[in-house]
Amino acid sequence: DIQMTQLSSSLSASVGDRVTITCQASQNIGNYLNWYQQKPGRAPELLIYDASNLETGVPSRFSGSGSGTDFTFTIISLQPEDIATYYCQQYDMVPYTFGQGTKLEIK
Amino acid sequence: EVQLVESGGGLVQPGGSLRLSCVAYGFAFRNYEMSWVRQTPGQGLEWVSYTSSAGSAIYYADSVKGRFTISRDNANKSLFLQMNSLRAEDTAIYYCARAKFGSPKVAGGPYDMWGQGTMVTVSS
Repeated sequence: DIQMTQLSSSLSASVGDRVTITCQASQNIGNYLNWYQQKPGRAPELLIYDASNLETGVPSRFSGSGSGTDFTFTIISLQPEDIATYYCQQYDMVPYTFGQGTKLEIK
Repeated sequence: EVQLVESGGGLVQPGGSLRLSCVAYGFAFRNYEMSWVRQTPGQGLEWVSYTSSAGSAIYYADSVKGRFTISRDNANKSLFLQMNSLRAEDTAIYYCARAKFGSPKVAGGPYDMWGQGTMVTVSS
């Protein structure tokens, strides 16, 4: 199985900060990488697909980049409503696997 | 409203069975690949199973293979997960998830719609 590793399990930042979350795949997955946001008590929501494509309706302060094994998710100006846990997911090979999540908190 | 609504979760003893349902509203369910994804309490997300739009291609995670069965009824816009021989480690919130239309990958694409989840607790 492809292992997805998010290098930070938690991050603390201030409103207005630029926030970066990284995700590494255990093998080359091309650009078959998605990012989800999950708020407490809610289902995950798709933010970025195919590494860098912004899902319809998602604010433009969110972005993604990378290919192969190294990926980055960025919030250019953190807002209070962005407090959540963020997951990467590969869908290059079955079983599709998720990172363990990065919990983002306000400093 | 466009949404997925799960039901069927509950408390079951080890070795028991449950059948989860997911009903789709507001979109052409028959055109979409669907999956089940679970989340253990306080833990991360685990893909469980996939079905193609017609139900002709099906995949399972190794952890549930031989115990769980995914199926769908396109006429009634419903997805199911029959869970047998349940174990304590199957305790989780189970989500149905719709794959984004048009993915080239064998088990669907990004999940662009999720249900609210249904809780399954396996305990004596």
